[in-house]
Amino acid sequence: GAGVSQTPSNKVTEKGKYVELRCDPISGHTALYWYRQSLGQGPEFLIYFQGTGAADDSGLPNDRFFAVRPEGSVSTLKIQRTERGDSAVYLCASSFHKTGELFFGEGSRLTVL
Amino acid sequence: AQKITQTQPGMFVQEKEAVTLDCTYDTSDPSYGLFWYKQPSSGEMIFLIYQGSYDQQNATEGRYSLNFQKARKSANLVISASQLGDSAMYFCAMREGPSGYSTLTFGKGTMLLVSP
Repeated sequence: GAGVSQTPSNKVTEKGKYVELRCDPISGHTALYWYRQSLGQGPEFLIYFQGTGAADDSGLPNDRFFAVRPEGSVSTLKIQRTERGDSAVYLCASSFHKTGELFFGEGSRLTVL
Repeated sequence: AQKITQTQPGMFVQEKEAVTLDCTYDTSDPSYGLFWYKQPSSGEMIFLIYQGSYDQQNATEGRYSLNFQKARKSANLVISASQLGDSAMYFCAMREGPSGYSTLTFGKGTMLLVSP
């Protein structure tokens, strides 16, 4: 499809496990964003890539969270030693438009038991 | 201080009526952009409308219009002729700085329910 694709759509894991969430942005979009959305809240910024490099990672909550975008297209959000508080929907978005409009994927719902 | 404030946790409107969803923002940057997104129960964030801080006219997109009051720092979304499919969460968001690539800060959202 032509939109932002995120996999998996749902992930259930146990506390302490390692998780990877993948985002495939819209073709040609150079900017890619990760957001986290907890129940009843608005999306919260995690990290933003311009090309292959992280232009702003100020939203990552701690060093258990890491993201890469090695070829400037697909990105992977990696969470080590997951905790129950990491349970949320992780949204990926990409952008090319001058206004900064973000195009979002449908999200990856992470549940940590 | 909250950068984006949406004071209405929930709003009810009857089909075919107009509804206004409130949003106030806080920034000292003279250049910024304001966005509204819709999030249905499926979870996907859908872009609705954009207003730049230097835009002279209020933005409109079909049934959506943005009531931009710069001095009051408000950017309310007006939905005219509500439809049942408008029932969803609505988020106001802001980009600080000149247009281009930068992060958006979102409010907590307003749940809109449209009744027949």
